[in-house]
Amino acid sequence: SQQGEEDPQALSIQEGENATMNCSYKTSINNLQWYRQNSGRGLVHLILIRSNEREKHSGRLRVTLDTSKKSSSLLITASRAADTASYFCATDPGTASKLTFGTGTRLQVTL
Amino acid sequence: DTGVSQDPRHKITKRGQNVTFRCDPISEHNRLYWYRQTLGQGPEFLTYFQNEAQLEKSRLLSDRFSAERPKGSFSTLEIQRTEQGDSAMYLCASSFQEEKLFFGSGTQLSVL
Repeated sequence: SQQGEEDPQALSIQEGENATMNCSYKTSINNLQWYRQNSGRGLVHLILIRSNEREKHSGRLRVTLDTSKKSSSLLITASRAADTASYFCATDPGTASKLTFGTGTRLQVTL
Repeated sequence: DTGVSQDPRHKITKRGQNVTFRCDPISEHNRLYWYRQTLGQGPEFLTYFQNEAQLEKSRLLSDRFSAERPKGSFSTLEIQRTEQGDSAMYLCASSFQEEKLFFGSGTQLSVL
């Protein structure tokens, strides 16, 4: 079963614009992570935010977490064509258990 | 350290045949995970090892599925009597005492 639901399912923007994708989840978490997947490839870890953090930055990425609303958002600033990929949030309950992934947002960045 | 390696990259089989996939995690990673992903969906958890011990199995892992990690290093995932519904990307990931996972490129299974 999938823990998270991502919104929107698909997003198309032009190079240089910002992309925002949202993730909602159902149960309590220890941390929430974002991964990127290029077509037909494995997932690559982007950023991790812990349950006691509200915002985190890494390069052009900005992640926010609202545990009261059980939601997170990923912002990619100044997007590039190379950012075209699917983005997944994943929740970690923190009991040495597994990550549970959302349904993903497909991002298309055009020139 | 060459990352997580999965073999084969693609597998086409006929319904009813058995298939086996291999995953070589990053050396010294003690945790190894198997996920399954169908088109347009996120990865779904199948099973998880810590060293050679299989600690958790999903309800998705029917009796036809078996996974092993005999020496706490590489792992195999076997599907017996394959069905068309088994067609998916099978992803392996590993980690070492940190929360983030390192994924392989996956094995794409097509059951005809």
